[in-house]
Amino acid sequence: SQTIHQWPATLVQPVGSPLSLECTVEGTSNPNLYWYRQAAGRGLQLLFYSVGIGQISSEVPQNLSASRPQDRQFILSSKKLLLSDSGFYLCAWGVGTGPTDTQYFGPGTRLTVL
Amino acid sequence: ILNVEQSPQSLHVQEGDSTNFTCSFPSSNFYALHWYRWETAKSPEALFVMTLNGDEKKKGRISATLNTKEGYSYLYIKGSQPEDSATYLCARGGWGSNYQLIWGAGTKLIIKP
Repeated sequence: SQTIHQWPATLVQPVGSPLSLECTVEGTSNPNLYWYRQAAGRGLQLLFYSVGIGQISSEVPQNLSASRPQDRQFILSSKKLLLSDSGFYLCAWGVGTGPTDTQYFGPGTRLTVL
Repeated sequence: ILNVEQSPQSLHVQEGDSTNFTCSFPSSNFYALHWYRWETAKSPEALFVMTLNGDEKKKGRISATLNTKEGYSYLYIKGSQPEDSATYLCARGGWGSNYQLIWGAGTKLIIKP
């Protein structure tokens, strides 16, 4: 069966510090991978998605970046965090690319930027 | 900008009572509507995906309906149990929007024993 891992679970970082969140998927090959952010009281916002190694599409301009160095590894990074980067970050994977396809989520990372 | 709205934002229901809540979405270029359940300290989990006007899906005590013409979906829970406590998210997929689901902020359901 497929599993998705995210770490760390919680993170408190000062403004201006770098960020690296990691997501790995097991039990499937060539998944589509997604990074979402949920700010307080808001819906999930798609940040990045990837359909293959080295292929990253950005949905929202920001100071975050994503990389996919291996088939089942997806990394969210920032060189300098802003206060507005605080939120709950979810990684997800899926098989299909269409609007009916289910996405499967990891446990998330709660990021607090002080 | 496409907005998906969910109401109410939170809901307290007595154990054993039935309840329902709403997801509203733009009906233009609509393709699919997803419902997910997100329990505290767990990952969001898919419940249903619906595409056709008048669709109704059921899983145990939970069911959902879809009206694509007026742009809304209802989620019903019959005989609420404590394990139903969770945030229920809906997400809309549109034509030509591969990868991109537009998510509501969720309805937080708390079942009181």
